[in-house]
Amino acid sequence: QQQVRQSPQSLTVWEGETAILNCSYENSAFDYFPWYQQFPGEGPALLIAIRSVSDKKEDGRFTIFFNKREKKLSLHITDSQPGDSATYFCAPPRSAKLIFGEGTKLTVSS
Amino acid sequence: DAAVTQKPRYLIKMKGQEAEMKCIPEKGHTAVFWYQQKQSKELKFLIYFQNQQPLDQIDMVKERFSAVCPSSSLCSLGIRTCEAEDSALYLCSSSQRLGASAETLYFGSGTRLTVL
Repeated sequence: QQQVRQSPQSLTVWEGETAILNCSYENSAFDYFPWYQQFPGEGPALLIAIRSVSDKKEDGRFTIFFNKREKKLSLHITDSQPGDSATYFCAPPRSAKLIFGEGTKLTVSS
Repeated sequence: DAAVTQKPRYLIKMKGQEAEMKCIPEKGHTAVFWYQQKQSKELKFLIYFQNQQPLDQIDMVKERFSAVCPSSSLCSLGIRTCEAEDSALYLCSSSQRLGASAETLYFGSGTRLTVL
């Protein structure tokens, strides 16, 4: 059973556009939602995170929007840059482990 | 550079051979996690340690893997008998402490295992 679902699997945007990555989950016990960014050949690294008591978290060009009622959240990357090309994972923790979604592979074309 | 160090970077084994990969967690971190990643898809949890003690692991690890953290500065993950399905990127990560939901995991660059 996939506890965390991400869409789309892959996304291509032009430089300067806004990329929108989606995440949905089943388990109501999730209360913290980190997003990890992974470049080819590297391990994931924490990009931005939101707690379930908030509906929005912003950090520069990266913003998480959270809808607790619908169990959905989205990561918006504004003014996308080629350096943002990576795979993004929604990975809420449960029982000390991060539960990873399948990820969204983002490609930013210049 | 990743604060978590993994070696070797690449590992090639024949089916049936034993494999071993090592991880040096970030200094001061007491929790260590191993994940398996295939084809850049989702990371699959394998096992985690707190203060060198294994606290949770999936059945596959219990059956075919060996994992230890003999010290706070070195952990290893081994596969007793490699199978083709074990071909994957093995990622080690560490965090300051276990249990806090907002703990950040710091990942190494991984060991890419290919089983022929």
